[in-house]
Order: sequence, then C-alpha cells, then structure tokens
Amino acid sequence: QKEVEQNSGPLSVPEGAIASLNCTYSDRGSQSFFWYRQYSGKSPELIMFIYSNGDKEDGRFTAQLNKASQYVSLLIRDSQPSDSATYLCAVILVRGNKLVFGAGTILRVKS
Amino acid sequence: GAGVSQTPSNKVTEKGKYVELRCDPISGHTALYWYRQSLGQGPEFLIYFQGTGAADDSGLPNDRFFAVRPEGSVSTLKIQRTERGDSAVYLCASSHGGWGTEAFFGQGTRLTVV
Repeated sequence: QKEVEQNSGPLSVPEGAIASLNCTYSDRGSQSFFWYRQYSGKSPELIMFIYSNGDKEDGRFTAQLNKASQYVSLLIRDSQPSDSATYLCAVILVRGNKLVFGAGTILRVKS
Repeated sequence: GAGVSQTPSNKVTEKGKYVELRCDPISGHTALYWYRQSLGQGPEFLIYFQGTGAADDSGLPNDRFFAVRPEGSVSTLKIQRTERGDSAVYLCASSHGGWGTEAFFGQGTRLTVV
C-alpha cells in the first residue's frame, strides 16, 4: 500500500464548477497535511495546509480532513482555466517524520 | 534570500560522471529537504536536514547519493558514478520549523545523464 494515494486523473470540470480532489494516506498517526499545485515544468507551490479534522477555507479553496477515515480532500470553487495543473497531496508520516507526496491528480478546467 | 534557489537549473552529464547540485534555502529556515521527481510522478523523498545534520536520509536510493549541509544553510546533493536512471528533476525545499510546518520549493535542477 502506498503511503499517499491519489487518483491520477485527469479530472475534467467546466469553468465555474466545483473541482473535488481526494487523497488517502496509510499512516493513521499522521497529523499534518498539505496540498500543493504544480504547473507543467514548474516546481510545487503550497496552496493549503490542514492539521485538524473538519474544513479549512481559503478563498476559493477548501481543504477537508477526516483522520478517522484517513482521507483529505481539496475543493476548488468557481474553477478557472488557470487552475488547470497537477495537485499534489502531501502528508507528514509519524514513522520517520518524512514529508511524502502522492503521485498527483491532473485537473483540467475547460472554458 | 527571497526564495529557495537551486543551481544549476539544468545539468547534462555523461554516464559515470560525478555531479553536484546546490540548494540555497530561504534565509532563516532551519529545515531543508531534497526530493527527486520523474515525469508523471510525485516528488520522491531523498533526505531531510534539520540544521547541519541529516535527520532522515532513508530516501537516498544507494551509496552513490550523498548530501551535506555543513553550515546549516546551503546544501549540496552529490551523485557519484551517475547512471541514466538518475535522470530526473531534483527539488529542494525548506521550512522554518521542521516537520509540521509548510515547506517551500526551489525551481529544481533538471539532471540528464546521457
């Protein structure tokens, strides 16, 4: 089982719709979770972090964390073509304190 | 500096050669991480420094890979006897408080072994 799993996509949504990106992790003791956005040929850019169960909102982005079910998600409201990118979920593992990444989900927002 | 700086941005080397990749973290950041990313994959953890010491080097694939951070700031990733399979983008990130705090990435070094 991979430490962090994401559906590779691509996830295609029309402009203005809500994009929902999901991630599961294997280390039940993990406490810190991050979402990064990566444009083609560029390095990852941090967009959200969440440490507590529930929702955390920042502009058009909402991160959701459910530790009991070991999943974290990212919602993007009013999706724009400029949101088209690969979204990477990252988790700090209790075992070894490593920050590990999923393979990423490709998001395509069509105008 | 204003952000994490990595040099060179591109490196082409022949199989069997030695290469060094440099990372200059954000000023004041005590934690520094190296990752490797292949096309279509997420960043693969290599090594993590807290200050001058390697807190976790479990991701280094073999003994051809080594990294140092002698003064707790700039880090160098060293690869000996390069192989074509080492070709990838090598990413460096830093944070101010170690694990649990946000990490910010440099622009990466694209290494091509021919």
